[in-house]
Amino acid sequence: DGGITQSPKYLFRKEGQNVTLSCEQNLNHDAMYWYRQDPGQGLRLIYYSQIVNDFQKGDIAEGYSVSREKKESFPLTVTSAQKNPTAFYLCASSIRGGSNQPQHFGDGTRLSIL
Amino acid sequence: DQQVKQNSPSLSVQEGRISILNCDYTNSMFDYFLWYKKYPAEGPTFLISISSIKDKNEDGRFTVFLNKSAKHLSLHIVPSQPGDSAVYFCAASEFRGNEKLTFGTGTRLTIIP
Repeated sequence: DGGITQSPKYLFRKEGQNVTLSCEQNLNHDAMYWYRQDPGQGLRLIYYSQIVNDFQKGDIAEGYSVSREKKESFPLTVTSAQKNPTAFYLCASSIRGGSNQPQHFGDGTRLSIL
Repeated sequence: DQQVKQNSPSLSVQEGRISILNCDYTNSMFDYFLWYKKYPAEGPTFLISISSIKDKNEDGRFTVFLNKSAKHLSLHIVPSQPGDSAVYFCAASEFRGNEKLTFGTGTRLTIIP
């Protein structure tokens, strides 16, 4: 059963701590994305990757970092430099960049500050 | 700068009637548009899309209309069912070799039984 798995579903971060959100897909998609959703707002793009070992900043990349060492995995690290990390984080994937194919989403990770 | 706008934060429709959700955009380079449906604490689910070379796309109860001159698109759901109650997001992308999506702020649709 193919899909996108995000873990954990809920995550708590202490001040000054880095945390990493996991995103794994078994859809054999080339492109992967990270979005952030805040209450009453749309999804905003943090980082995206069109191919393994390559990624680009989105609209709100400051305070975040990513890696794409494997096709199926695109972890997001929320660093201590991100001053307002409380949000709902969504990972997505698509067949390949530039193909006008829809992105498919995981069920998200809700990050809160302790 | 909000390039994709959904000006109605909420909409209530009687079961069985037509639901019409609207979306406006400002970037004339957008050429691919999508609608997603989202339940609380879940990821968005893709519903339907339309390319700028078309003005209408249909999939079962869902139809998307695109008016390029007005930079406006709409999603029609008919007949509306209780399971359609969710937040609907409009999204758009430019065909520049990537699929960076720009999302609207969403419209909460409530179907009244």
